[in-house]
Amino acid sequence: AQKVTQAQTEISVVEKEDVTLDCVYETRDTTYYLFWYKQPPSGELVFLIRRNSFDEQNEISGRYSWNFQKSTSSFNFTITASQVVDSAVYFCALSEADDRGSTLGRLYFGRGTQLTVWP
Amino acid sequence: DAGVIQSPRHEVTEMGQEVTLRCKPISGHNSLFWYRQTMMRGLELLIYFNNNVPIDDSGMPEDRFSAKMPNASFSTLKIQPSEPRDSAVYFCASSVRGYRKSDTQYFGPGTRLTVL
Repeated sequence: AQKVTQAQTEISVVEKEDVTLDCVYETRDTTYYLFWYKQPPSGELVFLIRRNSFDEQNEISGRYSWNFQKSTSSFNFTITASQVVDSAVYFCALSEADDRGSTLGRLYFGRGTQLTVWP
Repeated sequence: DAGVIQSPRHEVTEMGQEVTLRCKPISGHNSLFWYRQTMMRGLELLIYFNNNVPIDDSGMPEDRFSAKMPNASFSTLKIQPSEPRDSAVYFCASSVRGYRKSDTQYFGPGTRLTVL
C-alpha cells in the first residue's frame, strides 16, 4: 500500500494565484516525520520543511505555508501569490521512527505534483 | 558549506558495461542513502548506510547492483552488468541520524544514467 499519496498529478495556475498541494499519508507509528521537497526543472531535490508527528502547529515561511492535520492524516502545502519560479515537482515524504523518536531512515515519497505557474 | 557531491552528473553506457556512481556526503553526516528515480516507480530507496555500515539494502533490485561505503566521506553504487532498464536518475542523500538528531536528508544533484 502506498504510504504517501499525492492525488494531484499536475496543477496549473496563473501567477499570483494561491495554490494548495495535497498530501495524505498512512502509518501505524505514533512517532513519524513528514517532509516536503521541491524538484525544479534542473532536477535537484531541495528540502523545504520537516515536521514531527507531535507538532501540529501550522508553519509559515514567506509565501509557503503547511497545514498538518493528524485527524485526516494530511500534510498540505500552500503557496500564496505563486510565481513562475515556483514551477517544479513537489514531493511529500514520510519517515517512520522508533519509540525514542529516532527515524528509521527510509523516506517514503509520494509520486509528486507537477506545478506549473504561468506568467 | 558544500552539499552532497555526486559524479558523474551524466553517464551514457552500453548494455553489459559496468557503471560506477560516486557520492561524497556532507561533512559530519553519518548516514548516506542511494535513491533511484524513474517515471514508472518514482523515487525509491535502494540502500542506506549508517556510520558506513549498510543498514537496509532491501531496495537493491538484484545482484547486479552493489554499494559500498569504505569511509565516512565516500560511497559508490555499482551496476554490473548494466541493462537498459537501469536507465534512471540516481540520487545520493546524507543526513545526521540518531537520538534527537535532525535526520533531514539532503540530496545531491543526481546522476542521470542512460544505458543503450
